[in-house]
Amino acid sequence: RKEVEQDPGPFNVPEGATVAFNCTYSNSASQSFFWYRQDCRKEPKLLMSVYSSGNEDGRFTAQLNRASQYISLLIRDSKLSDSATYLCVVREVPSKIIFGSGTRLSIRP
Amino acid sequence: DGGITQSPKYLFRKEGQNVTLSCEQNLNHDAMYWYRQDPGQGLRLIYYSQIVNDFQKGDIAEGYSVSREKKESFPLTVTSAQKNPTAFYLCASRDPSTTGELFFGEGSRLTVL
Repeated sequence: RKEVEQDPGPFNVPEGATVAFNCTYSNSASQSFFWYRQDCRKEPKLLMSVYSSGNEDGRFTAQLNRASQYISLLIRDSKLSDSATYLCVVREVPSKIIFGSGTRLSIRP
Repeated sequence: DGGITQSPKYLFRKEGQNVTLSCEQNLNHDAMYWYRQDPGQGLRLIYYSQIVNDFQKGDIAEGYSVSREKKESFPLTVTSAQKNPTAFYLCASRDPSTTGELFFGEGSRLTVL
């Protein structure tokens, strides 16, 4: 079983749609959780950290369910510029950081 | 400006040759990481280092070696034992005292002919 699993997609949705990505992790002792965004042939960049209480940053909402070992990302009112690959990232103790295989999102006009 | 510098950006090598990828950071971060990315896939952890003179194997360490003699530097050697070395290699650093965000270099694309 992979340490961090994501639906690879691709997700192809119209502009303005709401889209949700899911991610599961296998190590129950994992400490920190993140969503990164990666554009084609570029390095990943942090989109947002994920907290147990859930957190929101503009159109983006992240949720963590420690009991189910599940992380989600919701993008509302999607824009063309949201087209990218979204990577679920988990930090295990003490410093091992594992990436999911990524979910590709394509927004069409 | 603070950041991570990887070099070279593009590298071509013949099969059977060792190659060393450079990674330098001036962010004063203790932790550094090497990842490999193949087309259409996520990042896989090769090696990581939490502090100078210490490093741990990641999930795909076979055929690779690293050193961490200085805080700023974490070079990766791709040896001839690595069966499929052609890939995009990404170096990152992290300040463990903060949120844990990884800061990445721009990557090195290695092609073995």
